[in-house]
Amino acid sequence: GAGVSQSPSNKVTEKGKDVELRCDPISGHTALYWYRQSLGQGLEFLIYFQGNSAPDKSGLPSDRFSAERTGGSVSTLTIQRTQQEDSAVYLCASSFTPKETQYFGPGTRLLVL
Amino acid sequence: AQSVTQLDSQVPVFEEAPVELRCNYSSSVSVYLFWYVQYPNQGLQLLLKYLSGSTLVKGINGFEAEFNKSQTSFHLRKPSVHISDTAEYFCAVSGTSYGKLTFGQGTILTVHP
Repeated sequence: GAGVSQSPSNKVTEKGKDVELRCDPISGHTALYWYRQSLGQGLEFLIYFQGNSAPDKSGLPSDRFSAERTGGSVSTLTIQRTQQEDSAVYLCASSFTPKETQYFGPGTRLLVL
Repeated sequence: AQSVTQLDSQVPVFEEAPVELRCNYSSSVSVYLFWYVQYPNQGLQLLLKYLSGSTLVKGINGFEAEFNKSQTSFHLRKPSVHISDTAEYFCAVSGTSYGKLTFGQGTILTVHP
């Protein structure tokens, strides 16, 4: 079956612009996670959704970062007023229930110039 | 809070040699333990996981890991590596209520002919 998909696969933007990253989880998966992978910080948790609510947003690095999930399915991660330090690969993962194995998408590579 | 330390950033080995990638964790609560693999320009793939029960866990591609609670370790082993095992390997922990992952810094395994 289809796995987790993310779009765009690559995004180049200018400092100060807003960007939206999309994640389509595996159908029926109730839990959804966003992570960030960067050279300096490694792999970091950003936010966890159960259904449409986000009980754990503790990894969002600043108030420029926000995320939502609608219909218990698609999620969008928005970064406002991008900075060069936001350059990273943003990974999405989903699981059938919060305790089950997470399946990762291919990521969105963001470059802020 | 949880933390993961992967003791080797790079491990070079020759084909058909055994390999061990080391991982230590710290946590004040019960955890689940994972090893993920990331091939170049690809997403994360689960190799194996420890939830409970037998401390020796077998995963895909001939890998196995042993959970040692007293030493807070979860080292990954393979008795005979192949060129195709060249990748970056991540050790991770999560709590037991939901799957928020805390990752180590990764170990780059390079298998030479």
